[in-house]
Amino acid sequence: GQNIGQPTEMTATEGAIVQINCTYQTSGFNGLFWYQQHAGEAPTFLSYNVLDGLEEKGRFSSFLSRSKGYSYLLLKELQMKDSASYLCAVRDGDYKLSFGAGTTVTVRA
Amino acid sequence: IAGITQAPTSQILAAGRRMTLRCTQDMRHNAMYWYRQDLGLGLRLIHYSNTAGTTGKGEVPDGYSVSRANTDDFPLTLASAVPSQTSVYFCASSASPANEQFFGPGTRLTVL
Repeated sequence: GQNIGQPTEMTATEGAIVQINCTYQTSGFNGLFWYQQHAGEAPTFLSYNVLDGLEEKGRFSSFLSRSKGYSYLLLKELQMKDSASYLCAVRDGDYKLSFGAGTTVTVRA
Repeated sequence: IAGITQAPTSQILAAGRRMTLRCTQDMRHNAMYWYRQDLGLGLRLIHYSNTAGTTGKGEVPDGYSVSRANTDDFPLTLASAVPSQTSVYFCASSASPANEQFFGPGTRLTVL
C-alpha cells in the first residue's frame, strides 16, 4: 500500500511562489500525479512524474525524487484563482492511484 | 461536449435502502473508477474496471458493488446503505490504466 503525506494548509500572497511537498512510502511505484480541486468541484489533472527531475507546465512545475520518496508542486506567480486543494497521488504497480489528503492553498490579495 | 456525467448530483437516503449511482463517459475510455472523498482522508478507491466486462476491488470495497456491461457506463450500487457511506462519490475514467484519470462532477450522498 501507499502512505502519502502532504501539509494540510498553506497561505500565500498573490504574485508569490508556493511549494507544496509530498512524501510517500510505497511497495511499488509507477508514477506520481498532482491534481487541483476547487471547492465543490471535481479534481483536474495538473502534472505527472515518473522519472526523477522537474517537469514544467507554464506557471506550475512538479519535481520527483524516487530515491527520497519525495515530490513537490511549485506554483509561481500566484493568482486568486489558484486558491484550491492540491492532491498528490501515487500510482502502484497495478496502476491504481492512492491519494494524499490534499493541501488547501489560500491566496491572499 | 465529451466528458463524464454522474447522476444524481446529490441524494439523501434512509439507512437500509438500496441506491445506484450512475456514471457515463463518452470518451471511449477503457478504464473507469469509483472513489469516495471524505474530509481529512482524501480520495479512496472503491472499485475499478480496466476494461469492459472486468472489475476489481479497490481500497474500500465493502458495501459496494459495480458492473461494467459496456465501455460507457459504470454504475455503483449500495445494496443496503449505512450512515458511514455518507460521502462525496467521484467517478473517473482514463484511456488506459496507464493514463491520467478524468473525474466526473461527483455525487453528494447523505445516509440518515
